[in-house]
Amino acid sequence: GAVVSQHPSRVICKSGTSVKIECRSLDFQATTMFWYRQFPKQSLMLMATSNEGSKATYEQGVEKDKFLINHASLTLSTLTVTSAHPEDSSFYICSARDESRAGELFFGEGSRLTVL
Amino acid sequence: RKEVEQDPGPFNVPEGATVAFNCTYSNSASQSFFWYRQDCRKEPKLLMSVYSSGNEDGRFTAQLNRASQYISLLIRDSKLSDSATYLCVVRGFNKFYFGSGTKLNVKP
Repeated sequence: GAVVSQHPSRVICKSGTSVKIECRSLDFQATTMFWYRQFPKQSLMLMATSNEGSKATYEQGVEKDKFLINHASLTLSTLTVTSAHPEDSSFYICSARDESRAGELFFGEGSRLTVL
Repeated sequence: RKEVEQDPGPFNVPEGATVAFNCTYSNSASQSFFWYRQDCRKEPKLLMSVYSSGNEDGRFTAQLNRASQYISLLIRDSKLSDSATYLCVVRGFNKFYFGSGTKLNVKP
């Protein structure tokens, strides 16, 4: 079946550094990908919609300069957490829609970010 | 008001029990509806789509009530492996909205 791969699955970094997370659709092309973050025992919170070849659409309250999104190809979107702080520690998940499967949403495995 | 609301639970049920979850959504123009399952520290995975006429997949039955703007999931003959968090997902124009999830614990 369709697979979305996310990398890295786990990252620990120092405060002030930047971290890049990749999201790839492995066997389908995705013009739209979504980035979420999830705090413990809470639901997924949509951060932004990543659009191939154009700027991402950010949800209210999400800092676009803090969370840089690049969707350079039909199979790859990246999220860069810039100047990370401990409060950015979270579980980040991407998803992609497979239009050939009625737009079904497939999720990456998630990336657990810990900022020290 | 949240786009999608769910009872967080937890629902603690014995093996073999029947359990039902409900979910309400606020946007009457919502287009598609889904139930996802999320295991602890894992990504959500599609359990089933929800169709207007209702649909069944084995022990799982999903219903949609557009007039009242809610969807439901019924699980019959619960198994230990059904223990997870069940997310109600509603699709709008180009966005997916997630409920907070309902936690199910099936006990022996």
